Amino acid sequence: QKEVEQNSGPLSVPEGAIASLNCTYSDRGSQSFFWYRQYSGKSPELIMFIYSNGDKEDGRFTAQLNKASQYVSLLIRDSQPSDSATYLCAVSTGRRALTFGSGTRLQVQP
Amino acid sequence: EAQVTQNPRYLITVTGKKLTVTCSQNMNHEYMSWYRQDPGLGLRQIYYSMNVEVTDKGDVPEGYKVSRKEKRNFPLILESPSPNQTSLYFCASSLEFQQGQPQHFGDGTRLSIL
Repeated sequence: QKEVEQNSGPLSVPEGAIASLNCTYSDRGSQSFFWYRQYSGKSPELIMFIYSNGDKEDGRFTAQLNKASQYVSLLIRDSQPSDSATYLCAVSTGRRALTFGSGTRLQVQP
Repeated sequence: EAQVTQNPRYLITVTGKKLTVTCSQNMNHEYMSWYRQDPGLGLRQIYYSMNVEVTDKGDVPEGYKVSRKEKRNFPLILESPSPNQTSLYFCASSLEFQQGQPQHFGDGTRLSIL
């Protein structure tokens, strides 16, 4: 079992819709969770981080964390074509700074 | 401007020819790390450093070396590169080694070993 798992996608949504990206992790001791966006050939860019159970909102982005079920999700409201990218979930397990999932490719159709 | 700078951005070389990829950050970060990214495998950590003269292996350290003689620099060394080291490499840094510290990434180095 991978430490951090994501569906590779592609996840295709129409412009203006809500995109929902999910991530599960195996280490129950994980405490910090990050979402990075990566455009093709570019470096990962931090979008959001969340430490506590519940929701955290930042603009069009909402991160949701459920430690009991060991999943974290990212919602993107009013999706735009410019949101088309690969979204990487990263978890801080304590052994070292971050363990990454392999990413979910999001396609927003105009 | 706060940044992580990697050089070179692209490199094509041959098997066995030693190479070094440099990484420098100007944010006075303690923690630095190298990742490689391959299709379907995501970002995998090669080596990391919690501070000057402190380095440790990540998930895929075979065939790589690093050093941390100065806080700002963390070079990645391939003593005898092989084709399976063809990959996209990222250097990253964060303020310190603690859970919850986001990492800042360099622009990446695309390395091809023939």
